[in-house]
This record gives sequence, structure tokens and C-alpha cells, in this order.
Amino acid sequence: SAVISQKPSRDICQRGTSLTIQCQVDSQVTMMFWYRQQPGQSLTLIATANQGSEATYESGFVIDKFPISRPNLTFSTLTVSNMSPEDSSIYLCSVVESYEQYFGPGTRLTVT
Amino acid sequence: QKEVEQNSGPLSVPEGAIASLNCTYSDRGSQSFFWYRQYSGKSPELIMSIYSNGDKEDGRFTAQLNKASQYVSLLIRDSQPSDSATYLCADTGGSYIPTFGRGTSLIVHP
Repeated sequence: SAVISQKPSRDICQRGTSLTIQCQVDSQVTMMFWYRQQPGQSLTLIATANQGSEATYESGFVIDKFPISRPNLTFSTLTVSNMSPEDSSIYLCSVVESYEQYFGPGTRLTVT
Repeated sequence: QKEVEQNSGPLSVPEGAIASLNCTYSDRGSQSFFWYRQYSGKSPELIMSIYSNGDKEDGRFTAQLNKASQYVSLLIRDSQPSDSATYLCADTGGSYIPTFGRGTSLIVHP
């Protein structure tokens, strides 16, 4: 299975600032996703990161708040912009390989 | 809108027992299902996939799919305290983007 790394693993940020999360995969993958998991909750899909084109966002998520880059088939970034305490969550990068979905270790974000 | 339902638990079983985790789904056309294990503070880990009606066994884990009744289950035999985690059921519904249930918390006590 694909090996996925994320940076940073955790961060504490101030309200109103932005944080960019990086996701690196050890193999080329077509489908890459960004999820959010709030405490005690299940996974919520933010967007599908498309290589060479704009990301596809799920209902309730917008590009201005969560801009995503996907410059190649092994790398993506998610930026959480103009943060508020409600953005405190774990952000997970995920890929599909051989029809199965795998997750990175996650980035734990706390906004104060 | 596709839905995947799981009892949030916690499901508590003694060590050595069989833990039975259940999941129902709303999309009758769904073809593939996955079970993930998530330890507290960690990301989900894929443990089983199932695509056909019936049972699929992998070590101590058995996934069961019943498309007529629209349910999926995961049996864990000889449960160990290390199996204590939240188990997420996911339904891809024919696409590559799964819908996840809220997860069932399993506690295996010595």
C-alpha cells in the first residue's frame, strides 16, 4: 500500500492566520483527498485534489477557505485560511490505490 | 444522500470473545465496502474490504456482506485488548469516494 506522510504533524495557530499542510505519497496516485475529523466525529471529505486542475470541493467547503494545490501525482497541499477555533480538527490526506483508500497520519490543528 | 449507519457503542467484550460490529447502508447500488480501525489519536487503518455477498476471512477478522438486507458486519474472533479502537464502516457506492459511518467504539477488557 501507498506510504503517505504529512507535515506538520500538529500545530497551534492563532485566530486569523493560515496554515498549509503538506501531503507526500511514495508512489504516483491519481486520486488524492483531504478529510477533516473533528473530535469524536467521523471523517468529513473536504475536497478531491485533482492533478493539473482545480480541486473539487464538497458541500460546505469553499476554495477561499481551503485552497488546495496538486502540482504532481505524489504531492498536495491544503491551506486552512483565516482560521477560527472552529477549524480545530485533525486534517487527513488520503489516496486511493488499487481501489482501496489509505490515510496519512494526520495533522492535528488547534486554533486559539 | 448516501448514508452509512453504525451504532456508536461502546461495545464492550471480554478478552477472547467474538466482537461483532454492524453497519447498514442506504444505497442499494453500492458494491464495495471497507472496514477501518482507528486508534485514539491515530488515522484510520484499512483492515478489510468486501465486494461480494457472503463472508470474507482474514486472520481473526471476518467481514460479512448481505446486499439484500443492506448490511455489513465485522467479526473479530479471540478479541484482544489491542483490538480496542473505533471501527469505521465505509461504502464507496460505486465511486472511489467512500461514505463513512460514525464508527463503533470497541473495548476489549482483560
